[in-house]
Amino acid sequence: DAGITQSPRYKITETGRQVTLMCHQTWSHSYMFWYRQDLGHGLRLIYYSAAADITDKGEVPDGYVVSRSKTENFPLTLESATRSQTSVYFCASTDRGWIMTEAFFGQGTRLTVV
Amino acid sequence: QQPVQSPQAVILREGEDAVINCSSSKALYSVHWYRQKHGEAPVFLMILLKGGEQKGHEKISASFNEKKQQSSLYLTASQLSYSGTYFCGTELTGGTSYGKLTFGQGTILTVHP
Repeated sequence: DAGITQSPRYKITETGRQVTLMCHQTWSHSYMFWYRQDLGHGLRLIYYSAAADITDKGEVPDGYVVSRSKTENFPLTLESATRSQTSVYFCASTDRGWIMTEAFFGQGTRLTVV
Repeated sequence: QQPVQSPQAVILREGEDAVINCSSSKALYSVHWYRQKHGEAPVFLMILLKGGEQKGHEKISASFNEKKQQSSLYLTASQLSYSGTYFCGTELTGGTSYGKLTFGQGTILTVHP
């Protein structure tokens, strides 16, 4: 199916554990993003990627690691989960020529760190 | 750097109008507006480029004031379906900001019958 999908949809993990959130898009969009959504903070950019093997930090990158070996995948890893990383995580993808086009968001991953 | 949205929340009756503002302390290249329904992913509304552009479709339109680095989203004759959280996203002017799309904290819009 065409689109952007995130997995898992829900995840409960313990403090200190490593957890990876997956994001896959089928459009071959060049740009991909990871955001976290918390009440009162809106959508905060964690990391973004302009192409395979090109990634850059967003506003809140500490505690997160990303990689992008293939255009269609952009996994987000929490190296040692903390309770402050409990959040809803959204992945998005888009293209950019002279202007960025419409971004498509995945359905989100609700992560709870206990 | 996140853009700043105002107001944080708006409550309307059907048929009333609303304006949501988005401002940046840095030079903007483009402004993006999205709407998110509860429990769902954000959905695209429109993109505006620097140059004072105004865009819209149906009863939702937006403007971009390059001098003030501000954008406003106008919702006229609101409908129940307009309820949700509205986010402005911005891409700044400048090489290091290329492709970096950051969002504001959101404005919660509630429309009552």
